[in-house]
Amino acid sequence: EVQLVQSGAEVKKPGESLKISCKGSGYSFTSYWIGWVRQMPGKGLEWMGIIYPGDSDTRYSPSFQGQVTISADKSISTAYLQWSSLKASDTAMYYCARHSSWFDPWGQGTLVTVSS
Amino acid sequence: QSVLTQPPSASGTPGQRVTISCSGSSSNIGSNTVNWYQQLPGTAPKVLIYSNNQRPSGVPDRFSGSKSGTSASLAISGLQSEDEADYYCAAWDDSLKGPVFGGGTKLTVL
Repeated sequence: EVQLVQSGAEVKKPGESLKISCKGSGYSFTSYWIGWVRQMPGKGLEWMGIIYPGDSDTRYSPSFQGQVTISADKSISTAYLQWSSLKASDTAMYYCARHSSWFDPWGQGTLVTVSS
Repeated sequence: QSVLTQPPSASGTPGQRVTISCSGSSSNIGSNTVNWYQQLPGTAPKVLIYSNNQRPSGVPDRFSGSKSGTSASLAISGLQSEDEADYYCAAWDDSLKGPVFGGGTKLTVL
């Protein structure tokens, strides 16, 4: 079964750093793009960026360029999304999803709460 | 402001047929295929329709997709209470060099 399993919920303070993960299994991790999608409370889906674990080619949405860093460790079939300095406005659910012209499957989501 | 435009809400009674529209431009829907995602309350999205009109295994044939020019639509026939969810269209955008989503349509089954 193709599956993406994300790390657990996080509660952080403004200014703190954070790295969340997405582990793939059941397929060749290096052969598919992995994308990250943000969903703010009560809002829609926003594409943040995408990475090809095979060669770490990474592309960012203009809205998120410079705000986050996407990386991958193909040796452990895991993609990452990280922030160097969180803001309250980063509070959201973050999903990873395998991309091959469409997103499928999706991870279960990681809820990030940033509050002082 | 989402790149793809969807109506914020739609509704229907059990057994009815409803359609949800998705409008884009030449750089996205006009030149690439459209996918639809269903997000049930409190869950992650899942692909409902891919490549304009293809259903993944397990998706009932009550769900169908179509595309014409720079617009697409999702049709749900024989509406059921379990179809109550948020629906998102998406397509690759050649200008942004990435996928773009619609703002989502909340479907209510009356």
